[in-house]
Amino acid sequence: QVQLVQSGAEVKKPGASVKVSCKASGYTFINFGISWMRQAPGQGLEWMGWINTYKGNSNFAEKLQGRVTMTRDTSTSTVYMELRSLRSDDTAVYYCARDTSGWGPMWYWGQGTLVTVSS
Amino acid sequence: QSELTQPPSVSGAPGQRVTISCTGSSSNIGAGYDVHWYQQLPGTAPKLLISANSNRPSGVPDRFSGSKSGASASLAITGLQAEDEADYYCQSYDRSLSGSVVFGGGTKLTVL
Repeated sequence: QVQLVQSGAEVKKPGASVKVSCKASGYTFINFGISWMRQAPGQGLEWMGWINTYKGNSNFAEKLQGRVTMTRDTSTSTVYMELRSLRSDDTAVYYCARDTSGWGPMWYWGQGTLVTVSS
Repeated sequence: QSELTQPPSVSGAPGQRVTISCTGSSSNIGAGYDVHWYQQLPGTAPKLLISANSNRPSGVPDRFSGSKSGASASLAITGLQAEDEADYYCQSYDRSLSGSVVFGGGTKLTVL
């Protein structure tokens, strides 16, 4: 069965970076892209970007351009999302989801990773 | 402020029918891009409920249905059950934002 398993919760100070992983299993990794979303406490879903797991290229939400990077390791079927220059309003649960082409729908989701940014 | 507009909340009694609207614009839903719906139960990850405007993934009860017309879409839930109490999000694609997935702000469904 398709599974996306994310890394554990993180606590970071303002200005630091965080790298969240998303390990895929149960399907051919390079045949499907991965989107990342985040959800601030009590708020809605925000799309962050998408990575083509076959080619490795990615595109990002305009507001995060320059602060976010997405990479993949095809040998371990893992996608990484790194967010730099963290601010308090980056505190959120971060989700990865399988997204074939970067348009949706997101058929399968990871369990979420809480990132807390606090001094 | 989301590119897709949903009512913040809706409510209904068990057994009733409720609808949740999702209003977009000529750069997303109105441009012909599909609308997808997700259900998020408290403390859990979202789950795909409706894909490509009106398609139910395997395992989703037929009490849930979706439709799209012009620049808007709707999610209908019939025969409301207590376990339907959740947040619901619509999602589409917007060509005006350098190509970007967009979500509605979410609608909290309360079963009275």
